[in-house]
Amino acid sequence: AQKITQTQPGMFVQEKEAVTLDCTYDTSDPSYGLFWYKQPSSGEMIFLIYQGSYDQQNATEGRYSLNFQKARKSANLVISASQLGDSAMYFCAMREGWGGSEKLVFGKGTKLTVNP
Amino acid sequence: DVKVTQSSRYLVKRTGEKVFLECVQDMDHENMFWYRQDPGLGLRLIYFSYDVKMKEKGDIPEGYSVSREKKERFSLILESASTNQTSMYLCASSFRLKPEQFFGPGTRLTVL
Repeated sequence: AQKITQTQPGMFVQEKEAVTLDCTYDTSDPSYGLFWYKQPSSGEMIFLIYQGSYDQQNATEGRYSLNFQKARKSANLVISASQLGDSAMYFCAMREGWGGSEKLVFGKGTKLTVNP
Repeated sequence: DVKVTQSSRYLVKRTGEKVFLECVQDMDHENMFWYRQDPGLGLRLIYFSYDVKMKEKGDIPEGYSVSREKKERFSLILESASTNQTSMYLCASSFRLKPEQFFGPGTRLTVL
């Protein structure tokens, strides 16, 4: 069974508008972490934001925020005020457990296109 | 700034050749990872290492091996390259007990 599900293969948004990229996860481990990475056409993976399963507050980093709904097992990425440079692939990932096993499991990604 | 470098951005090899992909990080990270990325499949973990000379299989280790003789260097080896190993290969590193992984620029390998 997929541990990370990104149901949107592609998303379009107008410049300056907000967009939400969906991510649901599946784990029985009480300790886990959720990540979002951005991959522009150049290919490098850029870390955007992290949410730990015990974090009380939703994570925010500049224009990026993570809408963490633990009961629903969702960790959606919200990008506010989209810019043309936000056009890229976006990957949600999860780390299970803690202490020596820092493997990440990635979703299949969402391609975001920001239109001028 | 953390820097993860990979030996080649593009590589073309022939079926049956032995292929070495090198990854070097300069931040004294304990953990290092090799992923492959294919369209529609996301990133899949091939192998990882949490210390020198230590290695663990990821989700798709078949056809690959790794070597970590020094802390900063993690090599991925394709013993006998096959066309189904044509892919983008990404290396990453991280501190133990810290969540963020830092990625290299990737190597796009084509096996003819």
